[in-house]
Amino acid sequence: RKEVEQDPGPFNVPEGATVAFNCTYSNSASQSFFWYRQDCRKEPKLLMSVYSSGNEDGRFTAQLNRASQYISLLIRDSKLSDSATYLCVVFQTGANNLFFGTGTRLTVIP
Amino acid sequence: SAVISQKPSRDICQRGTSLTIQCQVDSQVTMMFWYRQQPGQSLTLIATANQGSEATYESGFVIDKFPISRPNLTFSTLTVSNMSPEDSSIYLCSVEDGSVYGYTFGSGTRLTVV
Repeated sequence: RKEVEQDPGPFNVPEGATVAFNCTYSNSASQSFFWYRQDCRKEPKLLMSVYSSGNEDGRFTAQLNRASQYISLLIRDSKLSDSATYLCVVFQTGANNLFFGTGTRLTVIP
Repeated sequence: SAVISQKPSRDICQRGTSLTIQCQVDSQVTMMFWYRQQPGQSLTLIATANQGSEATYESGFVIDKFPISRPNLTFSTLTVSNMSPEDSSIYLCSVEDGSVYGYTFGSGTRLTVV
């Protein structure tokens, strides 16, 4: 079983739509959680860390459910510039390693 | 956030040769990480490089194939040795970035082996 699993998509949504991505992780000892954004032929860039209480940054909201080992990312009022691959990333302290999901590809359509 | 300069950005190499990739960070960091991202795939950790000690390699990666140097707290190199077409991939370095409570990546090296 993969350490981190997420729906690869693609998600094609119109501008202004709300879209949600889900991610599950297998190791309950995982300590830190992140959403990264990766544009085509570019390096991943940190979008936001995910906190237990959930957190919001503008149009982006991240949620963590430790009991279900589930992480989500909600994007409201989608913009064309949101088109990218969104990577769910989990850090395990014991392994001292980041584990990456395969990414969910989002295309926002005019 | 930390700024990482990674070079080269891309290269096309003959099989059997070696390529050394460099990452320079604008601040001192304890650990640097080297990843591989194969086409259409997510990132896989190759090794963790600590200054003053040997790198720690993940399962499936060995020092003879991917030797790493870490001469100081701001610099590291990864060499891809005796390359074959299967080594064609994007290679990325990364550091833990306390300023953003996350990890920052270099811009990547796109390697094609012919």
